[in-house]
Amino acid sequence: RKEVEQDPGPFNVPEGATVAFNCTYSNSASQSFFWYRQDCRKEPKLLMSVYSSGNEDGRFTAQLNRASQYISLLIRDSKLSDSATYLCVVNPRAYNNDMRFGAGTRLTVKP
Amino acid sequence: NAGVTQTPKFQVLKTGQSMTLQCAQDMNHNSMYWYRQDPGMGLRLIYYSASEGTTDKGEVPNGYNVSRLNKREFSLRLESAAPSQTSVYFCASSNNSPLHFGNGTRLTVT
Repeated sequence: RKEVEQDPGPFNVPEGATVAFNCTYSNSASQSFFWYRQDCRKEPKLLMSVYSSGNEDGRFTAQLNRASQYISLLIRDSKLSDSATYLCVVNPRAYNNDMRFGAGTRLTVKP
Repeated sequence: NAGVTQTPKFQVLKTGQSMTLQCAQDMNHNSMYWYRQDPGMGLRLIYYSASEGTTDKGEVPNGYNVSRLNKREFSLRLESAAPSQTSVYFCASSNNSPLHFGNGTRLTVT
């Protein structure tokens, strides 16, 4: 079993739609969680951290369910510019050297 | 704002050739990392350097060596390239979270 698993997609949605991605992780002791965005043939960039109480940044909402060991990302009112691959990242320890990346979920937003 | 700079952007090697991927950051970060990204897989850590003068193996270190030349620079060397090392390589740096990535190096080994 992979340490971090994501549905690879692709998710094809129309502009304005709401879309949600889930990510499961195997290490119950994991301490920090992130969503990164990666555009085609570009480097990953931090989208948002995921906090225990859930957090929101504009149209993006991230949630953590420690009991079920998954995190989610909800995108409301999708824009064409949201088309990208979304990477789930889990850190089992306090140090960055142990970050575990999911393979990513590809999202295409269509006009 | 250069951030993390990697060179080269593209490279084609023949099996058995050697090369060094260069990485430099101007954010005064203590930690630097080398990852590889392959289709259908998440980024995997090759080596990291928690601070100047230290390096440690990550998840997939075989076939690679690294040098933390100073606080700014962290290089990755392939001594004898193999087709299995065809991948996209990303350098990253941080002071704890988040990771800041370079633009990547696309390496093909034939």
